[in-house]
Amino acid sequence: SQTIHQWPATLVQPVGSPLSLECTVEGTSNPNLYWYRQAAGRGLQLLFYSVGIGQISSEVPQNLSASRPQDRQFILSSKKLLLSDSGFYLCAWSFPPGQSATNEKLFFGSGTQLSVL
Amino acid sequence: AQSVTQPDIHITVSEGASLELRCNYSYGATPYLFWYVQSPGQGLQLLLKYFSGDTLVQGIKGFEAEFKRSQSSFNLRKPSVHWSDAAEYFCAASRGGATNKLIFGTGTLLAVQP
Repeated sequence: SQTIHQWPATLVQPVGSPLSLECTVEGTSNPNLYWYRQAAGRGLQLLFYSVGIGQISSEVPQNLSASRPQDRQFILSSKKLLLSDSGFYLCAWSFPPGQSATNEKLFFGSGTQLSVL
Repeated sequence: AQSVTQPDIHITVSEGASLELRCNYSYGATPYLFWYVQSPGQGLQLLLKYFSGDTLVQGIKGFEAEFKRSQSSFNLRKPSVHWSDAAEYFCAASRGGATNKLIFGTGTLLAVQP
């Protein structure tokens, strides 16, 4: 069966410090991968998605970047955090097209609560 | 532009009462539709989804949702709410395809009174 791991669960960082959040998926190959952010009082916003190694699409301009160095690894980064980067970050994966009848379904990690102070 | 709207930010119901959470979507064509639940500090759990066919969809935990094309709505319902249902609920839509991006509504926070 497939599993998704996201860490750390909570993180407190000072403004201007770097960020690295990691997400890995097990039990499947070539998944689509996603980073979402949920800011306080707001909904979930898609930040990045990836359909393959080294292929990253950004949905909104921001202070963050994403990388996919391996097939099942998705990393969210920042060189210098801003106060506005605080929020709850969720990694998710889905089957690629054609691999499953349910490729429209996203599977979410448990999230990272990031507080930038 | 594609969008999902949840007009109710916060809803409070009494335990045992019925529940309806509203969701409207704006897409070029009928998208795939989802309801997710998020308990405090946790990830998202899929409650139910609509792809096609029967417009009344049954999900987990006693939830159901009805797709109404004429109203561009996909409202979530439960006949009798339990205290453990207190959480934030997100409606989402997707066109599927190669990228399968989910567009989420802003969420509805459900509080359950004893």
